[in-house]
Amino acid sequence: DADVTQTPRNRITKTGKRIMLECSQTKGHDRMYWYRQDPGLGLRLIYYSFDVKDINKGEISDGYSVSRQAQAKFSLSLESAIPNQTALYFCATSDLLEQFFGPGTRLTVL
Amino acid sequence: TQLLEQSPQFLSIQEGENLTVYCNSSSVFSSLQWYRQEPGEGPVLLVTVVTGGEVKKLKRLTFQFGDARKDSSLHITAAQPGDTGLYLCAGAHSGGGADGLTFGKGTHLIIQP
Repeated sequence: DADVTQTPRNRITKTGKRIMLECSQTKGHDRMYWYRQDPGLGLRLIYYSFDVKDINKGEISDGYSVSRQAQAKFSLSLESAIPNQTALYFCATSDLLEQFFGPGTRLTVL
Repeated sequence: TQLLEQSPQFLSIQEGENLTVYCNSSSVFSSLQWYRQEPGEGPVLLVTVVTGGEVKKLKRLTFQFGDARKDSSLHITAAQPGDTGLYLCAGAHSGGGADGLTFGKGTHLIIQP
């Protein structure tokens, strides 16, 4: 079984809809991250969390929110999706030596 | 603002050739990591370099961290079709990237048989 899982793997939604992307990990890491990947732009950090009570904004947090429900779960929400949020979204965990990425969620906002 | 400039963005070469990918920045990083990403998957760590001037080898791949810890390179010797993929460099400002990594835009590498 994968150490970092993301659901859904693919999602198509409409402008203005609220959507949640979920991430679960079995690695036992405290640190979790959300990145988005756009063609030609690489990965950019949205939010990160050091533990259940800790939430930190990354480079591009506007339009997004997160919830760290437990050590193993970190969800990303788009309160009102817009087309320029169409991207590939990755969740990751860290043991301070390496980041371990999930398989990604491909989100399309029409 | 993209703090890590990665070049080239695209590279297509024949099997057996050598290649080098560069990652440059005006910022100093505590460490720099190289990842490889396959279609439909997340990036997977290849190597971490921490000390200025450090050189690490992973089979046919050689990674170097600049003396000033602002730049890095990935050199592949005798490239093979299995080396095809997206290569990403990522810099950490704090230990191990605890507050997240800054990624370059990536290099799409295609090795033709």
